[in-house]
Amino acid sequence: NAGVTQTPKFQVLKTGQSMTLQCAQDMNHNSMYWYRQDPGMGLRLIYYSASEGTTDKGEVPNGYNVSRLNKREFSLRLESAAPSQTSVYFCASSELGGTQETQYFGPGTRLLVL
Amino acid sequence: SQKIEQNSEALNIQEGKTATLTCNYTNYSPAYLQWYRQDPGRGPVFLLLIRENEKEKRKERLKVTFDTTLKQSLFHITASQPADSATYLCALDMVVSSASKIIFGSGTRLSIRP
Repeated sequence: NAGVTQTPKFQVLKTGQSMTLQCAQDMNHNSMYWYRQDPGMGLRLIYYSASEGTTDKGEVPNGYNVSRLNKREFSLRLESAAPSQTSVYFCASSELGGTQETQYFGPGTRLLVL
Repeated sequence: SQKIEQNSEALNIQEGKTATLTCNYTNYSPAYLQWYRQDPGRGPVFLLLIRENEKEKRKERLKVTFDTTLKQSLFHITASQPADSATYLCALDMVVSSASKIIFGSGTRLSIRP
């Protein structure tokens, strides 16, 4: 099992460019999440998908959109990148979405917006 | 709103000693509290979960306590080793817009010197 995979590993964008971060899990989990991690700020939830076909906003959704393509895949899109979106992005999944469940994280995507 | 504070940003201790990391929270008590380990350039990895009705949980050299009166969790690593050097994150559940979510602290960077 690969667990949670993310592509790309690293990306440099210019302000105003768009891109999509890809995430896939092979654990048959129902729930998937996108977080960003900034120094001193911890992990902050951007969007999550409790189950296939549903998505909801997290703590910091502005400037992002998501698509739960199927049970395995959950993508994060930046329509018009801004320097404030420079961060490390983590995708995670959990079996049913309960707060007592373990979250399994991908290796992260490091994004630099110039 | 719920706030999580993890003691110092960094903790530096001698190999063989017990490392103790602190996680404090405000407002209501969570039903669950989790601890994760994060190595540089990688995603967090789950270590332990403790429930509000459990005072202590152990796993090998790890011990977690949960004091709902003090609104605090302590994470101990006994007989610490250089391989334990990493950032440790606490996470707890909270209600956001009528839905339960997990929120993460910013982490404590632990360094074990030989």
